[in-house]
Amino acid sequence: EDQVTQSPEALRLQEGESSSLNCSYTVSGLRGLFWYRQDPGKGPEFLFTLYSAGEEKEKERLKATLTKKESFLHITAPKPEDSATYLCAVLSYNTDKLIFGTGTRLQVFP
Amino acid sequence: NAGVTQTPKFQVLKTGQSMTLQCAQDMNHEYMSWYRQDPGMGLRLIHYSVGAGITDQGEVPNGYNVSRSTTEDFPLRLLSAAPSQTSVYFCASSTGTGFGETQYFGPGTRLLVL
Repeated sequence: EDQVTQSPEALRLQEGESSSLNCSYTVSGLRGLFWYRQDPGKGPEFLFTLYSAGEEKEKERLKATLTKKESFLHITAPKPEDSATYLCAVLSYNTDKLIFGTGTRLQVFP
Repeated sequence: NAGVTQTPKFQVLKTGQSMTLQCAQDMNHEYMSWYRQDPGMGLRLIHYSVGAGITDQGEVPNGYNVSRSTTEDFPLRLLSAAPSQTSVYFCASSTGTGFGETQYFGPGTRLLVL
């Protein structure tokens, strides 16, 4: 069965304190791994898609990486406006549907 | 473009009542889908549509109906609301090749069933 696990559930950082969020997955044939950002009271907003192990993508202070078992979302020198819940989702050849993790709630304090 | 819009933003129902959650998109996307989001659980797919006139079930379809008469609209119907359907509902759309493409989500409808 396809599974996605995100850790930690919550993360509190001081402004400027870099860290990483983890997304571990078990799927029968990965078609793609997706990262979304969700602000309180809003719908998820697309960040990145990764397709194969070794792939990396960057956007401002965020960098997503992918291995055969997990993906990391690295946040470099975060700012308070980076506070949000970050969702990971995988798409497998088996189900052809997105499977979402439960998210990591990030709080960045000034 | 307005993107994906959802109405209402918030609704309170009594057990057994029916209602329709509205979803519309102006991006001419073929794929549209409905998810529910509950505390401690990931977004779960309820129903989806690959184009006008075509719908299919997702992971948690029981208690919900959908139809797709136009490309723009994809309403979700609760025929007889139950407290277990208390949740936040998100509609999403994507380009024609489906779930592998970027999903654009609406702002959500918060539903409370008493």
